[in-house]
Amino acid sequence: NAGVTQTPKFRVLKTGQSMTLLCAQDMNHEYMYWYRQDPGMGLRLIHYSVGEGTTAKGEVPDGYNVSRLKKQNFLLGLESAAPSQTSVYFCASRLRSPNTGELFFGEGSRLTVL
Amino acid sequence: AQSVTQLGSHVSVSEGALVLLRCNYSSSVPPYLFWYVQYPNQGLQLLLKYTTGATLVKGINGFEAEFKKSETSFHLTKPSAHMSDAAEYFCAVSGWNNNDMRFGAGTRLTVKP
Repeated sequence: NAGVTQTPKFRVLKTGQSMTLLCAQDMNHEYMYWYRQDPGMGLRLIHYSVGEGTTAKGEVPDGYNVSRLKKQNFLLGLESAAPSQTSVYFCASRLRSPNTGELFFGEGSRLTVL
Repeated sequence: AQSVTQLGSHVSVSEGALVLLRCNYSSSVPPYLFWYVQYPNQGLQLLLKYTTGATLVKGINGFEAEFKKSETSFHLTKPSAHMSDAAEYFCAVSGWNNNDMRFGAGTRLTVKP
């Protein structure tokens, strides 16, 4: 009963390094999202996708890229990591229809950039 | 554009006391409103949601919330707090024509014995 799975769960990077976070969902959801969570700021939307091959910017997209080559996977990339990108990253997904809006979340990926 | 404001980053109650967590929203379209709970080192879980219909919605673990359009509010309540309710709670807003969901800053609930 996997739901939404994020890998890796923990990662430490040096400034300037690159990395990719992988999100996989087995619920056949059309919509997928990447959020970052920072103390006192709640969850802020980075990018999202409404279907395979499509992506869109959220509130805080700068410094991140995404790809949705397969319906079940949504990748979040950092090309040149910065300390300001130290955060906990959450992936979420939902059905397109019926649009009741409920998101299903992964357990998070904690990234530290030194 | 849509947004939510949660009043109070920390709320502390005694076990058995009323829990009240406040959320106000802004939306240019009829909103869908949500409360999520996050336990330490976990993802978010849905507590309850309002989309259409009855304005008083009941969720899991004895929580409920009332949608008040005139006050643009969606406050979360529970009559009697339990130690296991200690967690962070997030209010969120979306809409039938929106593809994304926007979250408040969160309220950390502490329950004292």
